[in-house]
Amino acid sequence: GAGVSQSPSNKVTEKGKDVELRCDPISGHTALYWYRQSLGQGLEFLIYFQGNSAPDKSGLPSDRFSAERTGGSVSTLTIQRTQQEDSAVYLCASSFTGRDGYTFGSGTRLTVV
Amino acid sequence: GQQVMQIPQYQHVQEGEDFTTYCNSSTTLSNIQWYKQRPGGHPVFLIQLVKSGEVKKQKRLTFQFGEAKKNSSLHITATQTTDVGTYFCAGSTPEGTYKYIFGTGTRLKVLA
Repeated sequence: GAGVSQSPSNKVTEKGKDVELRCDPISGHTALYWYRQSLGQGLEFLIYFQGNSAPDKSGLPSDRFSAERTGGSVSTLTIQRTQQEDSAVYLCASSFTGRDGYTFGSGTRLTVV
Repeated sequence: GQQVMQIPQYQHVQEGEDFTTYCNSSTTLSNIQWYKQRPGGHPVFLIQLVKSGEVKKQKRLTFQFGEAKKNSSLHITATQTTDVGTYFCAGSTPEGTYKYIFGTGTRLKVLA
């Protein structure tokens, strides 16, 4: 596609429920990243996929968070047993090689009530 | 772990004044990127610096990468209201596989 697409754009969920956030990167981009941004704050690195290499999961805050990237394209970030502190905007970005600038999606605003 | 700090956290300027934000890393960086995030928007890539001491310009914006590759700056000449937003630097370490750690950001407000 022309840009990085994320869905849903907004998600309100009850505490304890699981959520799945989807990212469709730019076609041909080998690198895909997930970041989290709380209101008025900076970007917190979560996970990084590069080609067929094992993902860098060093930023995932707990074992309730997981992500996968199928076929080197679409990625899904799953949060199990959501907590109120998980409320944030989840941003996905892709890059042609990982050595150039990221293109960010518009994000998914997650609210846990 | 690697930390990237930016100063100032906030800056209010009158339209036409200059603005500078500084980015400092606790570790030597392989390269650094700069992004702009408009209020309510997502970060947009501005530029990447790779070489020690590198200086790049984009119209009114000047980007510098320090000689030791541990700091960087973004300078805007004669700010305009369209410059409003948060400016982030993002650094990648030599040992990293192009995982970028974002700075804390500088929020710029321009008063007309």
